[in-house]
Amino acid sequence: AQSVAQPEDQVNVAEGNPLTVKCTYSVSGNPYLFWYVQYPNRGLQFLLKYITGDNLVKGSYGFEAEFNKSQTSFHLKKPSALVSDSALYFCAVRDPLRDGGFKTIFGAGTRLFVKA
Amino acid sequence: EAQVTQNPRYLITVTGKKLTVTCSQNMNHEYMSWYRQDPGLGLRQIYYSMNVEVTDKGDVPEGYKVSRKEKRNFPLILESPSPNQTSLYFCASSLAATSSYEQYFGPGTRLTVT
Repeated sequence: AQSVAQPEDQVNVAEGNPLTVKCTYSVSGNPYLFWYVQYPNRGLQFLLKYITGDNLVKGSYGFEAEFNKSQTSFHLKKPSALVSDSALYFCAVRDPLRDGGFKTIFGAGTRLFVKA
Repeated sequence: EAQVTQNPRYLITVTGKKLTVTCSQNMNHEYMSWYRQDPGLGLRQIYYSMNVEVTDKGDVPEGYKVSRKEKRNFPLILESPSPNQTSLYFCASSLAATSSYEQYFGPGTRLTVT
């Protein structure tokens, strides 16, 4: 069965420092991987995705993620954190179903705190 | 503006009183889905719909019903709510029912069942 793990409940970084939010996955077949961000009292917003191609994926708000097949990881990164990046981040994997649809499996989420 | 809307945003109800949470999208998306978010568990899929009149169970469908009579609407129905259905609910839509498309989420509905 497909699964996603976010090993850190919380990540703390200082503004201006690089940040990494970790994600590992377990899938059968080719993985379709996503990162979403949730700000307080808001729904989830799409950040970026890996479907195929270049292992380094660039997304919204200066975020990027590196797909590493050998380590089954898809870590989210940003070179210089902003206080406004403080939010809850979710990694997700898409699980294709027999009927042609799909199920999205989300990690438990990682709360990012960026201190000024 | 392209968006997914949900109503109500907040709801407090009592055990057994039927309720409906509405969801509507204006992007002509084929795929729609309902999730519940609980602390430490991330989001879990309740039901999904690949297109009009096509719905199926997700991981936690017990106690919920859905319908998809029109492409834009995907209401979530709790026939007899119980306290363990207290949660934050999100509706989402995606362009098509293939795996590569990202989902667009509504603002959420916080439900409390006493």
